[in-house]
Amino acid sequence: RKEVEQDPGPFNVPEGATVAFNCTYSNSASQSFFWYRQDCRKEPKLLMSVYSSGNEDGRFTAQLNRASQYISLLIRDSKLSDSATYLCVVGDSSYKLIFGSGTRLLVRP
Amino acid sequence: GAVVSQHPSWVICKSGTSVKIECRSLDFQATTMFWYRQFPKQSLMLMATSNEGSKATYEQGVEKDKFLINHASLTLSTLTVTSAHPEDSSFYICSARDLAVPDTQYFGPGTRLTVL
Repeated sequence: RKEVEQDPGPFNVPEGATVAFNCTYSNSASQSFFWYRQDCRKEPKLLMSVYSSGNEDGRFTAQLNRASQYISLLIRDSKLSDSATYLCVVGDSSYKLIFGSGTRLLVRP
Repeated sequence: GAVVSQHPSWVICKSGTSVKIECRSLDFQATTMFWYRQFPKQSLMLMATSNEGSKATYEQGVEKDKFLINHASLTLSTLTVTSAHPEDSSFYICSARDLAVPDTQYFGPGTRLTVL
């Protein structure tokens, strides 16, 4: 079983749509949680950290459920520029990051 | 935000040669840097954790004699792929942890290695 699991997609949505990504992790001792965005042939870029209380950054909302070991990302009003691969990332106590295999999003005009 | 650079951004080499990749934190000090590898259509896999002034810690399955890591200063870590073979062709990415903001890792732009 992978440590961090994501649906690979692709999710193909029209501009303006709302799309949700989910992720599960296996290590209950995980301490930090993130969503990263990776464009083709580029390095990953931090989108947002994820907290149990939930957090929102503009059109993006992230949620963490520690009991279910489940992380989500909601993107509202999708833009063409949101097309990318979204990586669910979990960190342990030594700051090591474990990456999910990513969910690909395609936003069409 | 904090900037991490990598050099070279891409390299093509012959099988059997060694390739050195540099990772620098440009505007902050990084006691810890991480080296990742990403094969096509796969996610990043952590190869090793590089600590300034001490030996690197390698993940299971990563050969320390093949992937030499040196972290001689708070702003520079190097990864040397020794006797490279075609199966080592990959996207190598480093990240650096800011001493002042330990929960955050800043990623370099990556180095694309192609071994012929």
